[in-house]
Amino acid sequence: EAGVAQSPRYKIIEKRQSVAFWCNPISGHATLYWYQQILGQGPKLLIQFQNNGVVDDSQLPKDRFSAERLKGVDSTLKIQPAKLEDSAVYLCASRRVRRDGNYNEQFFGPGTRLTVL
Amino acid sequence: GQQVMQIPQYQHVQEGEDFTTYCNSSTTLSNIQWYKQRPGGHPVFLIQLVKSGEVKKQKRLTFQFGEAKKNSSLHITATQTTDVGTYFCAGPPHRFNKFYFGSGTKLNVKP
Repeated sequence: EAGVAQSPRYKIIEKRQSVAFWCNPISGHATLYWYQQILGQGPKLLIQFQNNGVVDDSQLPKDRFSAERLKGVDSTLKIQPAKLEDSAVYLCASRRVRRDGNYNEQFFGPGTRLTVL
Repeated sequence: GQQVMQIPQYQHVQEGEDFTTYCNSSTTLSNIQWYKQRPGGHPVFLIQLVKSGEVKKQKRLTFQFGEAKKNSSLHITATQTTDVGTYFCAGPPHRFNKFYFGSGTKLNVKP
């Protein structure tokens, strides 16, 4: 099966500009995650969707970050306006929902490397 | 808040030596997953442990989940250069629908 697709792979912007990232999860995966991974750190969960509903966005800086998952498939993550500290790799991951409610593996996309100058 | 720490942060070993990374959560986890991230790559799932005290093996890799479900370890026997990367533990706190990644242990293997 095809993996998680993300675009663009790289983006360089100046602070205060806007940027958007796109993610296409694996077909049939109801759960979608956006993570921020700063160099040398573990991925930090920004937002989690189940189909097109938000499950958790407690770590999403809502004053500048927004995300949506229309129709429960593709998702976009937007930053407006960007700050220097937003420089990171933005990872999208998806997983199939298990009927027993337990977690199973997440499949990650290649990520988008954002540099804010 | 929830924290998942890993030690050591870095480990340099000679090829053939063993390696262990430890994962500690500030709260009980429902389950724990381990991922490997190669330099420049994205995290790739290795394994999931669910039961208290569970031990699983994958060839040279041995994974353990603590009795209290707050800690875990990954042990690699006789490391190879292909083991190079950062190893992350991750999991959801018990009764919470969130997911936290550990700080990671970066392994370098010298041939």
